[in-house]
Amino acid sequence: SQQGEEDPQALSIQEGENATMNCSYKTSINNLQWYRQNSGRGLVHLILIRSNEREKHSGRLRVTLDTSKKSSSLLITASRAADTASYFCATDGGIQGAQKLVFGQGTRLTINP
Amino acid sequence: DVKVTQSSRYLVKRTGEKVFLECVQDMDHENMFWYRQDPGLGLRLIYFSYDVKMKEKGDIPEGYSVSREKKERFSLILESASTNQTSMYLCASLLSTGGRVETQYFGPGTRLLVL
Repeated sequence: SQQGEEDPQALSIQEGENATMNCSYKTSINNLQWYRQNSGRGLVHLILIRSNEREKHSGRLRVTLDTSKKSSSLLITASRAADTASYFCATDGGIQGAQKLVFGQGTRLTINP
Repeated sequence: DVKVTQSSRYLVKRTGEKVFLECVQDMDHENMFWYRQDPGLGLRLIYFSYDVKMKEKGDIPEGYSVSREKKERFSLILESASTNQTSMYLCASLLSTGGRVETQYFGPGTRLLVL
């Protein structure tokens, strides 16, 4: 089955730096979403980008989507210690009416104070 | 705000026990999901339901069953728990819009240990 793959698997940066995470997927999509998971908790939706969009912003988050390369990136600017979490991309498989999302394995981000 | 609750945060059961994990959402969402999350394997879909009494197998349904008698409640059942079902279990709900997948809302998770 289709699967998003995040890269890198783990990322450690200093507070205040920017963090970039990448996601690749295999089939066509209607939209791609990014979620965050704090340790031991459920996932929280961050942002959704549709297949006809190339870039989207939400606060310190910037998401890009390149459907020709089947890839997306999540940029967190001016990182904070509270951004420490795992980040997952999820795709819908491009099937109209399908309700499932397929999640990647995630990038574990650590922000060092 | 959408709220998805799970009946337990932590659960310890013995091999062979029947285990019920309950999930409730308060936003009248049609679709509900059960995932398990394991290190290095990400989230894997066990079962989902797109309406009351309707269910669909996900990627790893073996050893599990589900029940959706009311729209707001989706239960995951381990008929005879085994140690390889030790995992984090996440429930999610989804409001579909025009047949397109939108945002999933997750519960806090249940960490199950089977001894």
